[in-house]
Amino acid sequence: EADIYQTPRYLVIGTGKKITLECSQTMGHDKMYWYQQDPGMELHLIHYSYGVNSTEKGDLSSESTVSRIRTEHFPLTLESARPSHTSQYLCASRGNEQYFGPGTRLTVT
Amino acid sequence: GQNIDQPTEMTATEGAIVQINCTYQTSGFNGLFWYQQHAGEAPTFLSYNVLDGLEEKGRFSSFLSRSKGYSYLLLKELQMKDSASYLCAVRPTPQTGANNLFFGTGTRLTVIP
Repeated sequence: EADIYQTPRYLVIGTGKKITLECSQTMGHDKMYWYQQDPGMELHLIHYSYGVNSTEKGDLSSESTVSRIRTEHFPLTLESARPSHTSQYLCASRGNEQYFGPGTRLTVT
Repeated sequence: GQNIDQPTEMTATEGAIVQINCTYQTSGFNGLFWYQQHAGEAPTFLSYNVLDGLEEKGRFSSFLSRSKGYSYLLLKELQMKDSASYLCAVRPTPQTGANNLFFGTGTRLTVIP
């Protein structure tokens, strides 16, 4: 069982709002990732981190930002949400194996 | 670049055996992963292969041939709950990339009675 958590699980929010999606893991993993996935579509890597104070953009351009101040915590922030940001956001962490959190389903109206 | 191919969809009968293939062309290789993802849920880890051969875990087995750039996931005694997408992911060597997993687009398996 993987110890990786995401909150909120579901979020409906209006356009222009600032939101932060939380991700935390208790496995002591240095590597953490954020993916974006639309229903029935493939995973797209949007951010990753190899450790504290390390953040990089992934393969898919995203208007979101991330921070990594603590090993266990890797929050993702959208400064001004738009309907195009509606998607599922999946956080993952990796030691030898990569585990995913349960995801946050975001709807921007 | 990185390229991972797997069939888009498969259908199999309850109780049968199904094999989901994955071929990859990546800049270096440091392991291959299989994940199961039910609709609307997060992927869950199934298996990890880094050496050639077969890894068995209950009803699921995964095979790897590094020389052929090929893997398969074998599901035995299929159950209705096995209907899901199965994702193949490859980790390149640290020296050649960011060491992130590259995911295929997934194979959507439908198990029918």
